[in-house]
Amino acid sequence: QITLKESGPTLVKPTQTLTLTCTFSGFSLSTSGVGVGWIRQPPGKALEWLALIYWDDDKRYSPSLKSRLTITKDTSKNQVVLTMTNMDPVDTATYYCAHRRSDSGARYFDLWGRGTLVTVSS
Amino acid sequence: DIVMTQSPESLTVSLGERATINCKSSQSILNSSNNKNYLAWYQQKPGQPPKLLIYWASTRESGVPDRFSGSGSGTDFTLTISSLQAEDVAVYYCQQYYSIPYTFGQGTNLEIK
Repeated sequence: QITLKESGPTLVKPTQTLTLTCTFSGFSLSTSGVGVGWIRQPPGKALEWLALIYWDDDKRYSPSLKSRLTITKDTSKNQVVLTMTNMDPVDTATYYCAHRRSDSGARYFDLWGRGTLVTVSS
Repeated sequence: DIVMTQSPESLTVSLGERATINCKSSQSILNSSNNKNYLAWYQQKPGQPPKLLIYWASTRESGVPDRFSGSGSGTDFTLTISSLQAEDVAVYYCQQYYSIPYTFGQGTNLEIK
């Protein structure tokens, strides 16, 4: 059974750096084809894909946020970490991590964590 | 970026009736080399994360009731719920995974009449 859980601060100040951790179980990020992505959702708004890391450490970022994002993995800890620099109130959102199954060419997400709400405010 | 436009934004359907949600991409998301459309549909209930319903535009995810079906190709796609149940009240999103950034539609809010 695959599970994912996001953790990190619930409140950050403008200009600070946000660090979120996705801790997962039921799969290994060393298995060929597997990936973990991050998606966010501002309150009452639509979903926005942020980043994706693959089993081979290949990384993909949303171009509009690429300069602010870093995604890394720790396979031994079953964790994926997302950092976002220079936080702004518009970055207030629920941040989800999600599993990408090893289906060739697939960048959809079959299982999601419950999300963590991050508020950016001074 | 590929823009995903859903219609309608809100939909009210009676129990047992058919619900149809449309999703249009600003460019084709059909890969001619494998003849696959790079489109997924998700259901999101209040306070919950999205749930994958459909991928490759028409492949139903394991465990998803067969009243949910996806169709379309190229730039125009449809999610159909053949007989609406009370538990289908949710917001539905389409997502293209053809090219970065992987973009979502704005969502369709489905309610019971």
